[in-house]
Amino acid sequence: TQLLEQSPQFLSIQEGENLTVYCNSSSVFSSLQWYRQEPGEGPVLLVTVVTGGEVKKLKRLTFQFGDARKDSSLHITAAQPGDTGLYLCAGQSNILGNQFYFGTGTSLTVIP
Amino acid sequence: KAGVTQTPRYLIKTRGQQVTLSCSPISGHRSVSWYQQTPGQGLQFLFEYFSETQRNKGNFPGRFSGRQFSNSRSEMNVSTLELGDSALYLCASTTGGYNEQFFGPGTRLTVL
Repeated sequence: TQLLEQSPQFLSIQEGENLTVYCNSSSVFSSLQWYRQEPGEGPVLLVTVVTGGEVKKLKRLTFQFGDARKDSSLHITAAQPGDTGLYLCAGQSNILGNQFYFGTGTSLTVIP
Repeated sequence: KAGVTQTPRYLIKTRGQQVTLSCSPISGHRSVSWYQQTPGQGLQFLFEYFSETQRNKGNFPGRFSGRQFSNSRSEMNVSTLELGDSALYLCASTTGGYNEQFFGPGTRLTVL
């Protein structure tokens, strides 16, 4: 059983479309991170959110941490082929031993 | 600043053998975590080392072990390899606090 569930698992969209990826849990996290991973490479950190209700923007990417710090979302505006990759959320909690728990992943393909 | 490096990048072994993987963290980072990534299970936490001591451990059998040296470089060892150990093994380093992780490119292990 995964502590963090992501949806959707797979997403294939046309260039220019918008999309949202969700990361949900029944556990509370001290911080939550989003990563993008390309084939054959390690995950690359995109953002860290630590405050309930926090919203962070990174160009066309908007990240939100839920008020209760149990869930998060990633919204991409006007997706581009360069956004293609595996998106992973990861939560960290001192109650759960401080290790990072990774979500199930969302594989995004943006078609030119 | 150089990133996290992992060696080797690819490895092929047969069942019953043992393997040692190496990870050099970012200069100044004192914590190294190891993860196993498979298509079915996603990213699973193996263990974390900080200042040569294991600080956290995931739910993996004793065949998986690790250590960290005084220069923060880390190795993980898998003994008596099984087919199911085929995976991408990733290491990540942090400064030591429970914050942002920086991943290496991974070692792709194939067990035949």
